[in-house]
This record gives sequence, structure tokens and C-alpha cells, in this order.
Amino acid sequence: EDQVTQSPEALRLQEGESSSLNCSYTVSGLRGLFWYRQDPGKGPEFLFTLYSAGEEKEKERLKATLTKKESFLHITAPKPEDSATYLCAVQASPDSWGKFQFGAGTQVVVTP
Amino acid sequence: GAGVSQTPSNKVTEKGKYVELRCDPISGHTALYWYRQSLGQGPEFLIYFQGTGAADDSGLPNDRFFAVRPEGSVSTLKIQRTERGDSAVYLCASSSRGQPSGGGTGELFFGEGSRLTVL
Repeated sequence: EDQVTQSPEALRLQEGESSSLNCSYTVSGLRGLFWYRQDPGKGPEFLFTLYSAGEEKEKERLKATLTKKESFLHITAPKPEDSATYLCAVQASPDSWGKFQFGAGTQVVVTP
Repeated sequence: GAGVSQTPSNKVTEKGKYVELRCDPISGHTALYWYRQSLGQGPEFLIYFQGTGAADDSGLPNDRFFAVRPEGSVSTLKIQRTERGDSAVYLCASSSRGQPSGGGTGELFFGEGSRLTVL
């Protein structure tokens, strides 16, 4: 059965303190791995798509990487506005694009 | 519209009542999705529409849940005989065509959700 596990569940950082979030997955055939950001009371907001092992994507202070078993979201020199829950999701179904399996998320708090 | 719009934003109902939640996707998006998110969890897939038809409804938990998209745009999620365990945020998302091509992002655009509370 497809499974997505995110760690840690919560992360508290000082402004400027870099860190990494982990997303490990077990799927029969990965067709895409996604990172989303979710603010309280809002829907998830797209960050990155990764398709194959070795791929990397960057956006401002965020960088996502992918291996055959896990993905990392690196936050470099975070600012308070980076505080959010970061969700990882996988697309495993070959037929129903958008039928994602999400992890439970990592709640990140960045303090000034 | 500019984004995915969901109404109502909040719905409080009593156990056993019928509820309808509405989703207005981004104009021109053919693919529409319903997800459910419980507190502290990631979204859970319910159903996927491509145009007017339900392409995959494998995530609907039981036959109390039903969704329609009669004209290929607005969708309504209908829940009969609500139970306390149905309490959650119901998220709608849309995308331009579903399967990405040419290395596209394949991203889903989510609305802000409808928070359902069943007393």
C-alpha cells in the first residue's frame, strides 16, 4: 500500500537557522512528488513538483530534492513568513492524475 | 474567477442532516477534485472529475457521500445523514487538464475549504 511519512511533525526555528524537512514514501510507481505549503485556515499552495531521483528545484529560500525513497525540503536562512505547514504528496496512480497521497505535514514555526 | 471559490466557508449542522458544499473552479479548468482534511492530517482524496463525469470516486467513504458536476464547471459535494465523524475541512481543487505534459508542474489549485462541523 502507498505510504507517505513526513518528519519531524513540528519544527521550531530561529530566524536564519537553516533546516531540512523529510518526506519518505513507499509507492509502487512514482509519477510525481509534490511539495505544498499550507497556512492556517487556507488551502494548500503549490511549491514544487519533482519527477525523478536526483532532481532538484529551488524557490527563494526553499530547495526540494528527490531520491528513490525520500524527498527533502531545505529551508535556508528562514524568515518568520516561512512559518506554515509543509505538505508532501505523491502521485502514484497511472490513471487519475491529481489523486494524491498526502503526508500529515510538518508544522514549521520561525521566530524572530 | 481568480482562484477556486468554495461556499460556505463554515457550516455547522446537526447529526442526521443533509449538507451541500459548493466549489467554483478556476475558469477553463477541466479537472476538479474534492479532498477532505481532518485536524492535524494531510488532505485525503475523495473524488476526481474530468469534465462532467466522475473519473475516479474511489475515495468517497460510503454511499452517504455524492458529488456532481453537471455542466463541467461548478461542483457540489452532497453528504446525507451526516455523522460527527464527517466533521472536517472539505477542500476543492482544480487543474487545467489533469495529466501534465512537457514536464509541466501538474499542480492542483486549492480553494480555502469548507469547514464542516457536525454536532
